[in-house]
Amino acid sequence: DTEVTQTPKHLVMGMTNKKSLKCEQHMGHRAMYWYKQKAKKPPELMFVYSYEKLSINESVPSRFSPECPNSSLLNLHLHALQPEDSALYLCASSQDHGRAYEQYFGPGTRLTVT
Amino acid sequence: DQQVKQNSPSLSVQEGRISILNCDYTNSMFDYFLWYKKYPAEGPTFLISISSIKDKNEDGRFTVFLNKSAKHLSLHIVPSQPGDSAVYFCATNQGGSEKLVFGKGTKLTVNP
Repeated sequence: DTEVTQTPKHLVMGMTNKKSLKCEQHMGHRAMYWYKQKAKKPPELMFVYSYEKLSINESVPSRFSPECPNSSLLNLHLHALQPEDSALYLCASSQDHGRAYEQYFGPGTRLTVT
Repeated sequence: DQQVKQNSPSLSVQEGRISILNCDYTNSMFDYFLWYKKYPAEGPTFLISISSIKDKNEDGRFTVFLNKSAKHLSLHIVPSQPGDSAVYFCATNQGGSEKLVFGKGTKLTVNP
């Protein structure tokens, strides 16, 4: 199984809503990532979890709250988002942390904030 | 300031010919580079990588060349196939960490 799955595929939410994005992998990978990708732009790193601990937070606003309940799951909790937060949110995982390990991406969640 | 640059937003080639995708970087401390392919509505898919101790890495139809003195790498696809049509991102692990920094991507179209 070399797949990273993400749910939901699409999400529309209002600025006062609370929602969560979910990511799952069963490859035994110990590092997991959240990226944000706007149209015609490259993916931008948001968070890195290594061995279930947050290791990198790229100065992301607190309205985005990551959570890693176990080594296979990664959540992104959303609250009080702005329309400019509309984007494709990508989850990725790699065998271990560190530069030499390729990251495998999920298909993404297309988020629209109204 | 862009640390990884893909100056060609698009490239069109004929099926069976060679596709050459280029990438430049600014920091000579970068020492590991990756290429990802992305289809619409899918996440990026890892293609091939190269460490700075090498100047070439080959995997089937895909070859990556690294010119450290020029801070330039290129991805060669030969022969190109229509299924290769996608956006290709060059990336590097910044500062030796797990943080990937991507270029803006090049959209490759392979015409039958």
